[in-house]
Amino acid sequence: SQQGEEDPQALSIQEGENATMNCSYKTSINNLQWYRQNSGRGLVHLILIRSNEREKHSGRLRVTLDTSKKSSSLLITASRAADTASYFCATAATDSWGKLQFGAGTQVVVTP
Amino acid sequence: DTAVSQTPKYLVTQMGNDKSIKCEQNLGHDTMYWYKQDSKKFLKIMFSYNNKELIINETVPNRFSPKSPDKAHLNLHINSLELGDSAVYFCASSQGAAVSQETQYFGPGTRLLVL
Repeated sequence: SQQGEEDPQALSIQEGENATMNCSYKTSINNLQWYRQNSGRGLVHLILIRSNEREKHSGRLRVTLDTSKKSSSLLITASRAADTASYFCATAATDSWGKLQFGAGTQVVVTP
Repeated sequence: DTAVSQTPKYLVTQMGNDKSIKCEQNLGHDTMYWYKQDSKKFLKIMFSYNNKELIINETVPNRFSPKSPDKAHLNLHINSLELGDSAVYFCASSQGAAVSQETQYFGPGTRLLVL
């Protein structure tokens, strides 16, 4: 079954604006990861946030995790056209050794 | 240098055929995976191998058979291809055995179209 679900499914913004997408999940997790997929390419890892962490930063990316609400958000600040991609959250559940469960992604389009 | 590579990139074939997809990683990782991404971009794990041993085997038809000749290679053989097998298949690798704690590195994908 699908564990992570991203919201919104699609997001269209102008360069320079911030983009925020959310991920909700169902079970207890060890960690949550965000990946980016450019059109026609494989996934690229962005950030891993552990269940005991609440916020993490990497460059223009900010990820939050609220385990009480079983949700996470990814914020891209000062977006660029090159940020156009699909963004996926993936959860590592505590009761499933090894498996990452991916959502269907948020498709982000950044127009110049 | 490509870290995780897959061949072929595109595969168009007829129903009922048997085909293989190859994956190689030059990262020195111990664990490799196969994922299937459907037309709605939903990505689902199929198999995972750690040091040539199968550790994850999701509910996948037994027409799909992974083979890991060494820890740098994980191939996927598909027998009696069906229309529903059309998808993008991604290979990935990660460093250690605690795979849920690890970053996964993905290949570029193999786009399979079954006619």
